[in-house]
Amino acid sequence: GDSVTQMEGPVTLSEEAFLTINCTYTATGYPSLFWYVQYPGEGLQLLLKATKADDKGSNKGFEATYRKETTSFHLEKGSVQVSDSAVYFCAAKAAGNKLTFGGGTRVLVKP
Amino acid sequence: DVKVTQSSRYLVKRTGEKVFLECVQDMDHENMFWYRQDPGLGLRLIYFSYDVKMKEKGDIPEGYSVSREKKERFSLILESASTNQTSMYLCASSDPGTEVREQYFGPGTRLTVT
Repeated sequence: GDSVTQMEGPVTLSEEAFLTINCTYTATGYPSLFWYVQYPGEGLQLLLKATKADDKGSNKGFEATYRKETTSFHLEKGSVQVSDSAVYFCAAKAAGNKLTFGGGTRVLVKP
Repeated sequence: DVKVTQSSRYLVKRTGEKVFLECVQDMDHENMFWYRQDPGLGLRLIYFSYDVKMKEKGDIPEGYSVSREKKERFSLILESASTNQTSMYLCASSDPGTEVREQYFGPGTRLTVT
């Protein structure tokens, strides 16, 4: 079946540092790929998405590029803020309506 | 904006009790989902529904059932709660008419079974 693997956290950074969260997937065909973010005490919000190879999703300074050759969708941000402290989930949607999620990566940004 | 609401943010129940978790969405979405979220395991799909009175088992349906009598409402039922069902429960909805079919999530219900 489909699976998504992302780096375990927690990731602790200082403000203005560079953030990378690795995500790789296995799926039938060419899935749509997503990054969701969960702020403390809240549900998940869609952060960005990409639907085909070489697409780049971007939002709020975050970026991720759909790499078919490495089956990856790594999340990056050049300069993090304290407000970026959250749990980040990578997800893949192959055929059908179901999403497969990674285990989540907790990010803590210190001032 | 799509809004998905869940009936309770926090819930404490005793072992053996029947528990109902309610979810309502206001965007006329056909698809609705129930997940549980546990540290290190990410989100795991319990049940989903494509339409009223339709349901499909997800990856971990054991110990749960669901009900979808109206399009906007999707209920998760724990027939006899057990301590291993202590978790965060998240409801989501999506529109099958869109290509990407991204899911919109509610705020979650943190259930503790004692």
